[in-house]
Amino acid sequence: QKEVEQDPGPLSVPEGAIVSLNCTYSNSAFQYFMWYRQYSRKGPELLMYTYSSGNKEDGRFTAQVDKSSKYISLFIRDSQPSDSATYLCAMSGSGANSKLTFGKGITLSVRP
Amino acid sequence: NAGVMQNPRHLVRRRGQEARLRCSPMKGHSHVYWYRQLPEEGLKFMVYLQKENIIDESGMPKERFSAEFPKEGPSILRIQQVVRGDSAAYFCASSPTKGRNTEAFFGQGTRLTVV
Repeated sequence: QKEVEQDPGPLSVPEGAIVSLNCTYSNSAFQYFMWYRQYSRKGPELLMYTYSSGNKEDGRFTAQVDKSSKYISLFIRDSQPSDSATYLCAMSGSGANSKLTFGKGITLSVRP
Repeated sequence: NAGVMQNPRHLVRRRGQEARLRCSPMKGHSHVYWYRQLPEEGLKFMVYLQKENIIDESGMPKERFSAEFPKEGPSILRIQQVVRGDSAAYFCASSPTKGRNTEAFFGQGTRLTVV
C-alpha cells in the first residue's frame, strides 16, 4: 500500500461547479497536510495547509483533514477556468526530517 | 525578492554523460530539498540539505546521484552516467526554517531528457 493515495483523474467540471479532491494515507505520523497546485510546466505552488485534524477555509478553497479516517479533502467552490491545473496532496511529519510525501496528483479542467 | 531559481530549465544529455542541476534558494533560506517527478508520478523526495550538510538523503538512488549545498553558491544535484530512466522533472524547494514545509517554496524545475 502506498503511503499516500490520491483519486485518479482527470476530472472535468463546468464553470461554477463545486470540486472535491481527496487523498488517503497510511502513515499515522503525518501531522501537516498540504494541497499544492501545479500548472503545466511549472513548479508546485502551496495552496493551503492544515496541521492535524480540522477544517481550514481560504476564499473559495476549503481543506479538511480527518485523521481518524486518514482522509483529507480539498473543496473548490464556484470553480473557474483559471483553476484548471494539477492538484497534489502532500503530507509530512512534524519532526526534524520534514520531507514531503506527495500523492500522484489529479488534473482538473474547468470548462467555461 | 526573486523566488527559488533553478537552472537550466531544460537539459538534454546523451546516455553516459553527466547532468548538473542548480538551485539557488530564496534570499535568507538555508534549507534546500530536491524532489523528482517522473512522468505520470507524483513528486518523490530525494534529499534534504542545509548549508554544507546533507541532513537526509534517504530518497537518493544509491549510485550515480549526489547533492551538495556549499557555503557559497547554489545547491547542485549531480547525476553521473545518466540513463534513460533519469529523464524527469527535478524540483528544488527552499525554506528558511528547519522542519517548516509550510514556508517552503518550489522552483520551476529542471526538465532532464536523456537521449
